[in-house]
Parts: sequence; structure tokens; C-alpha cells
Amino acid sequence: QKEVEQDPGPLSVPEGAIVSLNCTYSNSAFQYFMWYRQYSRKGPELLMYTYSSGNKEDGRFTAQVDKSSKYISLFIRDSQPSDSATYLCATGTSYGKLTFGQGTILTVHP
Amino acid sequence: DGGITQSPKYLFRKEGQNVTLSCEQNLNHDAMYWYRQDPGQGLRLIYYSQIVNDFQKGDIAEGYSVSREKKESFPLTVTSAQKNPTAFYLCASTQPGGTGLGETEAFFGQGTRLTVV
Repeated sequence: QKEVEQDPGPLSVPEGAIVSLNCTYSNSAFQYFMWYRQYSRKGPELLMYTYSSGNKEDGRFTAQVDKSSKYISLFIRDSQPSDSATYLCATGTSYGKLTFGQGTILTVHP
Repeated sequence: DGGITQSPKYLFRKEGQNVTLSCEQNLNHDAMYWYRQDPGQGLRLIYYSQIVNDFQKGDIAEGYSVSREKKESFPLTVTSAQKNPTAFYLCASTQPGGTGLGETEAFFGQGTRLTVV
């Protein structure tokens, strides 16, 4: 079993839709939870970061962590074509080594 | 501008040939990483180094080698022992040892796409 599981999709939605991306993890030692966005042929960039259970909001993006069920979510409201990318969840421990999910390919069509 | 530079962007390798991918950072980060990305597999850790002159194997180190002689440089060699090297390779760095985001946010280079011909 992989330490971080993520549905690779692909996921296709119309512009303006609410997008829900999810990951599960198995290692209780993970303390940090991140979402990276990766455009085609580019390196990933940090999108959202959370440390504890609960919600964190940044504009149209909301990251949610439930440590009791080991579940990580990213919600995108009013999705735009520019949101089309691969979204990678990642978990980490205090010494900086990250474990990534498989990535979900998202396409938002006009 | 601070960041991570990977070169070359595209690389072609013949069967049985060793090739070296370059990764340079000017972020003054202590830790550097190499990941391999295949379709549907996410990022898999090849090697990482938390300090100069020290490095550790990741999850898929077989067929790869690294060195860390300078803080800013972490080259990856793909050897002939790596039977399926065609992939997108990503180098990253972090600054562990602090608290919160600073120790875990990974900054990535733009990647090197390696193809076996």
C-alpha cells in the first residue's frame, strides 16, 4: 500500500464548477499537508499548506485535513480554465522529506 | 532571483550510456532532493541530501548515483544499470530545521525530460 493515495483522474469540469480533489494517507507521523500545482512540462509549485486538522482558505482554494480519518482535500470554487493542471497532494515530517500522491489531472473547459 | 536550475531541459540517452543531470540552487538551502515522475505514478524519491557530503537513498535509488560536494549543487547520474530511465526528473530543495512551512516547502526546478533512444 502506498503511503499517500490519490485518484489520478483525469477530471474534467465546466468553467465555474466546484472541484473536489482528495487524498488519503497511512502514516500517522505525517505532520504537514500540502497541495502542489503542476502545469504541463513544468516543476510543481506550492499551492496550499496546512499543519493541523481543519480548513484553510486562500481565495478560491480551500484545503481541508482530517487527521482522524487520514483524509486530505482541496476544493476549488468557481474553477477557471487557468486552473487546468495536475494537482499533487504531499505530506511531510519535521525533517523536510515529502511523500507525494500520484497527482490528479484536472481540465476546466470554457 | 533565487531558485533552482536544472539542465538540460531535454536529454537523450543511448542504451548502456551513463548520463548526468545537473541541479543548482541559490536559495542557500541545506536539503536537496531528486524525484522521478512517470504518468500515473506521482513523484517518487530517488535520493536526498540533508547536508553537504552526505546523501541518502530514497525509494527508487537503484541505477542512480548522486554527489553533494557543494551546498548549491546536487547532480544525478543515471547509470546503465537503470533499465527504464525514460521519465521526467525533478530536483527540489528545502530548508529543514526550522518550524512550520519553512522546513517543508519544497522548491522545484523546471525538470529534465530524459528519453532513451
